[in-house]
Amino acid sequence: GNSVTQMEGPVTLSEEAFLTINCTYTATGYPSLFWYVQYPGEGLQLLLKATKADDKGSNKGFEATYRKETTSFHLEKGSVQVSDSAVYFCALVSSARQLTFGSGTQLTVLP
Amino acid sequence: DGGITQSPKYLFRKEGQNVTLSCEQNLNHDAMYWYRQDPGQGLRLIYYSQIVNDFQKGDIAEGYSVSREKKESFPLTVTSAQKNPTAFYLCASSDTGSREKLFFGSGTQLSVL
Repeated sequence: GNSVTQMEGPVTLSEEAFLTINCTYTATGYPSLFWYVQYPGEGLQLLLKATKADDKGSNKGFEATYRKETTSFHLEKGSVQVSDSAVYFCALVSSARQLTFGSGTQLTVLP
Repeated sequence: DGGITQSPKYLFRKEGQNVTLSCEQNLNHDAMYWYRQDPGQGLRLIYYSQIVNDFQKGDIAEGYSVSREKKESFPLTVTSAQKNPTAFYLCASSDTGSREKLFFGSGTQLSVL
C-alpha cells in the first residue's frame, strides 16, 4: 500500500535559518505529491504540490522537488520566519484518488 | 465567504454516550471527508462521501457513523462503540475534478470525561 514517511520533529530554528523537512514515500504507479500546513488551532491548507517526476512545487518561499529516483519530496525554505511556525504534512495521492498523509512535523521558529 | 465550518470547537463525551460533530460547507463541493488526527500521527480517513446519499468507509470507520442527506452537510457521529474517541477531528471537502486538493475546516477536539 501507499505510505509517507516524514522526519520526526519537533524542529526548532532561529529566524532566517534554512529549513529542510524530509519526506519519502512508497506508492504504486505515479503519485502526485503534496505539502500541507496546519497553523495552530486550524485545519490544514495546501501549501504546494507536484504531479510528476522532476516537477518543483513552490509557494510562499517554500519549495519541494519530486524526485522519483529517491522517492522523495523534501520541503525547503531559504529563510524561515516566526510566522512559519506550524505543523507540516507531506501527502500523496495515487490511482485510488485518496490522500495518504505523513505523521506531520512540528516547526517552531524563534525570533 | 466560502468555506467549511465545523462545530463545536470543543466537545466532551461521557462514557457510553453518542456525540455528533457538525460539518457544513458552502463551496458547492461534491466530495466530503472526515479525518481523525492523533498526536504524532498523520491524518487517518474515517469516512468519505463523493455524492449526496452515498458514503464509503475509510481506514478507521469502526465506531463511527455518517450521513449525507444534503450536499453541504456531512455530520459524523462518534458512537459508544468507539473505545478511544479522544482526538482532533477534521472535516474536508473537495471538488470532484480535483479530489487531491482538500479544503479543511478548523477542527473539533473531542475529549472523554
